[in-house]
Amino acid sequence: GEEVAQTPKHLVRGEGQKAKLYCAPIKGHSYVFWYQQVLKNEFKFLISFQNENVFDETGMPKERFSAKCLPNSPCSLEIQATKLEDSAVYFCASSQWHGGRDTEAFFGQGTRLTVV
Amino acid sequence: GENVEQHPSTLSVQEGDSAVIKCTYSDSASNYFPWYKQELGKGPQLIIDIRSNVGEKKDQRIAVTLNKTAKHFSLHITETQPEDSAVYFCAASKTGGYQKVTFGIGTKLQVIP
Repeated sequence: GEEVAQTPKHLVRGEGQKAKLYCAPIKGHSYVFWYQQVLKNEFKFLISFQNENVFDETGMPKERFSAKCLPNSPCSLEIQATKLEDSAVYFCASSQWHGGRDTEAFFGQGTRLTVV
Repeated sequence: GENVEQHPSTLSVQEGDSAVIKCTYSDSASNYFPWYKQELGKGPQLIIDIRSNVGEKKDQRIAVTLNKTAKHFSLHITETQPEDSAVYFCAASKTGGYQKVTFGIGTKLQVIP
């Protein structure tokens, strides 16, 4: 598709429950990024993929957070045993790098996770 | 790691006036500087970007300037319109769109009709 599609738009989980977010990148884009935006607008980089391989995971919390991008499937971000501080909007973005030229990163509309 | 500072955090201008948002970055290896506009309930949308081999770039009412020596870059919006009201983020990255970006804290711009 021509836009980054994120599902669901909203997700409510009780503390301790699992949350799973999905992202379908723009067709043909080989890089996928996950960012977390907390209440005061601050964006935090979590992880990026080059196709199905982890490209940069320097922002990923080591515990409870995991992510995958498998062939022919939407990418996913999973949070085990959610905590109140995980409440945020999670954005996925995708971009392309080909032949020495790269495109901008296009962002999806986000998934708002509320942990109660 | 990279640190991007942005100011002001809020900005109110009269319709038709200009708006300027300023950012600084810390990592001299950064060489790609995108600007995003985020409307309520939506994802960030790229409005203009600049690479380190260019000092200025303009697209209609929007212009960005970059001073690599001072590690400063700025967004200028001229002839502001109410639909320009949104939160604007500067960002910095190494190389380009396939690298993670580090965002500033955002500037909430209000254009008063």
